[in-house]
Order: sequence, then C-alpha cells, then structure tokens
Amino acid sequence: NAGVTQTPKFQVLKTGQSMTLQCAQDMNHNSMYWYRQDPGMGLRLIYYSASEGTTDKGEVPNGYNVSRLNKREFSLRLESAAPSQTSVYFCATPKTKGGGPDSSYNSPLHFGNGTRLTVT
Amino acid sequence: QKEVEQDPGPLSVPEGAIVSLNCTYSNSAFQYFMWYRQYSRKGPELLMYTYSSGNKEDGRFTAQVDKSSKYISLFIRDSQPSDSATYLCAMSRNSGYSTLTFGKGTMLLVSP
Repeated sequence: NAGVTQTPKFQVLKTGQSMTLQCAQDMNHNSMYWYRQDPGMGLRLIYYSASEGTTDKGEVPNGYNVSRLNKREFSLRLESAAPSQTSVYFCATPKTKGGGPDSSYNSPLHFGNGTRLTVT
Repeated sequence: QKEVEQDPGPLSVPEGAIVSLNCTYSNSAFQYFMWYRQYSRKGPELLMYTYSSGNKEDGRFTAQVDKSSKYISLFIRDSQPSDSATYLCAMSRNSGYSTLTFGKGTMLLVSP
C-alpha cells in the first residue's frame, strides 16, 4: 500500500495511557481520513481532514483528537486509552491523483496497512 | 435498518467457481459504489469503482449496480485460492468529500 504509511504497526497500551498514531502520504492529496475497523462493525470514520489546517468529526470521534500537521501528515491521538478503543486503525487518502482543490470529491480511498492497537 | 447490509459469510467455494458477493443499502442518495478486497492483516485495496447503475468489468471481476433495487453485486469468474480474502462494499453520496459508508465485509474462501 505504497503512498500511505502508518506507524506503528502494532501497539499495546494500558488503560489510561496516551499515544499518537502517525500517518503520512506522498500523493499530494488535500484530504486524509482516519477509520477504525472492528469485528462485526466494519470500517467507521473517526475524523477526516479536507485540507491542511482543517479537521472534522466522523461517525465515532469520541475519545480521539487529530492534528493535520502539514499536507503530508495526519495524526490520531488517544489521550486516555480505553479497552473500547482496541481496534485496527486505518489512515486513508483519495485514490485519484492529488493536487487540485476538488480532486478528492467522490474519489474512492486508498488505505494504509493499519495500526493494530490493544488496550488492556 | 443499517444503511449498508452485507452477509459476513464465510462463503466457501472450490477453485474455478463463479462467486457472487452482494450488498443491499437503504439510502437512495448513494451514487458511487465500490468494492474493496482485504487480505488478513492488510489494508483494504480498491477492486472496482462504479457510478450509478449498470455493469463494469475488469478481468475476472464484474461489478453490478441496481439502484432501483438498492442492490450491488460483485462477480468473480474462475475463482482462485488467491481470491480468498474479505470483500467490503462501500458507497458514497453525490457531494462532499469521500465519507464512505462500508458494509461489514464477506469472507471468501476458495479451496484448491
């Protein structure tokens, strides 16, 4: 899944600990997305960033914060991890070629390989 | 009723079989329809992308959209063991950024 790089690949946290999941893209897209995937629940949008400097809540934003550091990087932070946040987290960007302000509209997404997080 | 329904499977077929994977949806505003394939411990990868109703073919894969029935399908011809994966349908409305709504995925197992 070249183009979207997520770190770390795996992480185990204790309840109450904090951590930041990192995502970087090299496709020059304006928009970036964070999803979580849970068994029986499918992929659900946590937050997205339509462009550098802007972020918006998705379907399940509670317990998370995000930061669009620059056009290339979009991080997801868990301030006080809970067992309910045990999940696989995916970062995504539009699949079409980036650059223009409208290049993200209605484009399918290209996903990274995920961060597998366990909170005990 | 959930916005997108997809049978979780698993669906087990022998190599060479024709596979039919399906999703139903309730929101008539969906205009763009996608199928993703996800191997174990990997991110979803886009297989097919269609707009509105009709068929689209790419090699062994055919995507079909019937908006009047709110039903989409993915057909895989001459299935191979390498097709064993989870298949996710996804769809989006005709405006705004790509906030996709996903089905829960169907696990497909193709035995040699």
